[in-house]
Amino acid sequence: GENVEQHPSTLSVQEGDSAVIKCTYSDSASNYFPWYKQELGKGPQLIIDIRSNVGEKKDQRIAVTLNKTAKHFSLHITETQPEDSAVYFCAATPSGSARQLTFGSGTQLTVLP
Amino acid sequence: GAGVSQTPSNKVTEKGKYVELRCDPISGHTALYWYRQSLGQGPEFLIYFQGTGAADDSGLPNDRFFAVRPEGSVSTLKIQRTERGDSAVYLCASSLMGGVSTEAFFGQGTRLTVV
Repeated sequence: GENVEQHPSTLSVQEGDSAVIKCTYSDSASNYFPWYKQELGKGPQLIIDIRSNVGEKKDQRIAVTLNKTAKHFSLHITETQPEDSAVYFCAATPSGSARQLTFGSGTQLTVLP
Repeated sequence: GAGVSQTPSNKVTEKGKYVELRCDPISGHTALYWYRQSLGQGPEFLIYFQGTGAADDSGLPNDRFFAVRPEGSVSTLKIQRTERGDSAVYLCASSLMGGVSTEAFFGQGTRLTVV
């Protein structure tokens, strides 16, 4: 089955700086890679996703890159704000949808004012 | 609020008891997913419904776990003979369809504690 590893487990940045979270996956059949933000006591919220036919996707301050050859993908957040503080999860699946997502172990991002 | 609703938000039960966890998906969403999240970990897939049928139950850990969605809307996750290892947050998500390019929306979860 799929195995997703996520680094770092914790990340602290100053407000306005950039944050980068990296994930690797093992199943070459995986074709859908979403990123979720989870605040305390809430369910995960999709913030951006990328499919295997695309190398990079950007949405305002958030971008995701995918390297299929190396089987890794990364989340980039620019101009970080205190409200970006949360746990971020990467995930991968060969289903192309939210079915059978394998999640990473999460990154606790803290943006210091 | 038109989001995914899960009840109860918290459930404490004794080892060996039976529990039911309820999920009300977003109206009109045909796809429904159950995931389980242990403390400090990412969610783990349990089961996926497309309409009334369980299209993929490969994530259910054993036969103590069962889920239904009789009318294609509300779903109930049932756990028999609960064990302390079943303690986790059980998350439900729904999407408009089950296919590609459909965003899944998660509920806030039910925190199950088996004592």
